[in-house]
Amino acid sequence: NAGVTQTPKFQVLKTGQSMTLQCAQDMNHNSMYWYRQDPGMGLRLIYYSASEGTTDKGEVPNGYNVSRLNKREFSLRLESAAPSQTSVYFCASSEEPANTGELFFGEGSRLTVL
Amino acid sequence: AQSVTQLGSHVSVSEGALVLLRCNYSSSVPPYLFWYVQYPNQGLQLLLKYTSAATLVKGINGFEAEFKKSETSFHLTKPSAHMSDAAEYFCAVRPRGTYKYIFGTGTRLKVLA
Repeated sequence: NAGVTQTPKFQVLKTGQSMTLQCAQDMNHNSMYWYRQDPGMGLRLIYYSASEGTTDKGEVPNGYNVSRLNKREFSLRLESAAPSQTSVYFCASSEEPANTGELFFGEGSRLTVL
Repeated sequence: AQSVTQLGSHVSVSEGALVLLRCNYSSSVPPYLFWYVQYPNQGLQLLLKYTSAATLVKGINGFEAEFKKSETSFHLTKPSAHMSDAAEYFCAVRPRGTYKYIFGTGTRLKVLA
């Protein structure tokens, strides 16, 4: 059972370049999330999708866009990368929150913007 | 706004000693509470969660946490540390009726031989 799969695992960009991080889950979860992790700051929510067809901003959405392509897939796009977006990005999914489900995480995507 | 505070960004204990990692939340209504562990270069995995059943919650790898409403706390403990417990630990909350999970800044646990 793959769980949550993120691609790519590593990426180096130059300032101003664009890229998309892909995420897919095979647990039939409705909710999906993108977080970024920076030293000393924990995980901060970028965007989330409570269900297919809906997306909402989290704590740090500026500079990012998302697409909930279908129930399985939730992508994160950087249109014009900046050095401040150097981070480790985690995708996660959860069961219906009404069932008090926990988050299931991918292994992360390490992005460096030069 | 809901927040989570983890006291101590780094904690060191000797192998076999008690592990205590602190977590406090700010909310008048108790949220759902979680502890996650992250090993180097990996994603986060759930240790345990509180969902308003028993206040003492047992998790994997011998960890447990006690929900104390009066102290707005959800501290993580383990009676005897093992070298394999060295990792970063995150406390998280999800306010009831929302889809957002809010994380603390993490505590890195070091276990000394």
